[in-house]
Amino acid sequence: AQSVTQLGSHVSVSEGALVLLRCNYSSSVPPYLFWYVQYPNQGLQLLLKYTTGATLVKGINGFEAEFKKSETSFHLTKPSAHMSDAAEYFCAVSVYTGGFKTIFGAGTRLFVKA
Amino acid sequence: DAGVTQSPTHLIKTRGQQVTLRCSPKSGHDTVSWYQQALGQGPQFIFQYYEEEERQRGNFPDRFSGHQFPNYSSELNVNALLLGDSALYLCASSGFQNTGELFFGEGSRLTVL
Repeated sequence: AQSVTQLGSHVSVSEGALVLLRCNYSSSVPPYLFWYVQYPNQGLQLLLKYTTGATLVKGINGFEAEFKKSETSFHLTKPSAHMSDAAEYFCAVSVYTGGFKTIFGAGTRLFVKA
Repeated sequence: DAGVTQSPTHLIKTRGQQVTLRCSPKSGHDTVSWYQQALGQGPQFIFQYYEEEERQRGNFPDRFSGHQFPNYSSELNVNALLLGDSALYLCASSGFQNTGELFFGEGSRLTVL
């Protein structure tokens, strides 16, 4: 069975500062990894995904994440935070078990201070 | 190109009642997954439908059931509602072999009084 752990339920950064949201996963088979963002009262939107190939993945809005198999991590970063980045971020892992099943972490709420 | 649409957007029920939530997947998608998101929590996997059959199920009781229609749309039914069923119910669609990348609707917010 797969699982996802997001370290820190809340992260606060100043506008222009580095954003780092941490995610560790557990999976018995090679996983596909995702980051989604959720704005208030909305569904989830895909930020980026790792399936195969390059371990550094670039997504929308300047976010990127690096897949580190040895550390079972998939941390999300952005060099410079913007006020519009304030939202809830979810890390997710998907494995094939007769169909792809996607499991989400508990989420990290990002606050951006002016 | 319409994305994932869900209805209703909000509803209020009382304990013991039954509720049906509806979802139309994104054009070209054949698989529908349902998630429950309690306030301040991550989405919890309820079940997944493909070819009109439940293919996978999460740790939810039999009070939660579903259906998929030939046009790939889906319903989520919850019987004997409990206060703890209050949550945002999210529908997500995908291609069955498409790495698990999900496209979400905006959800149906259920309040049980």
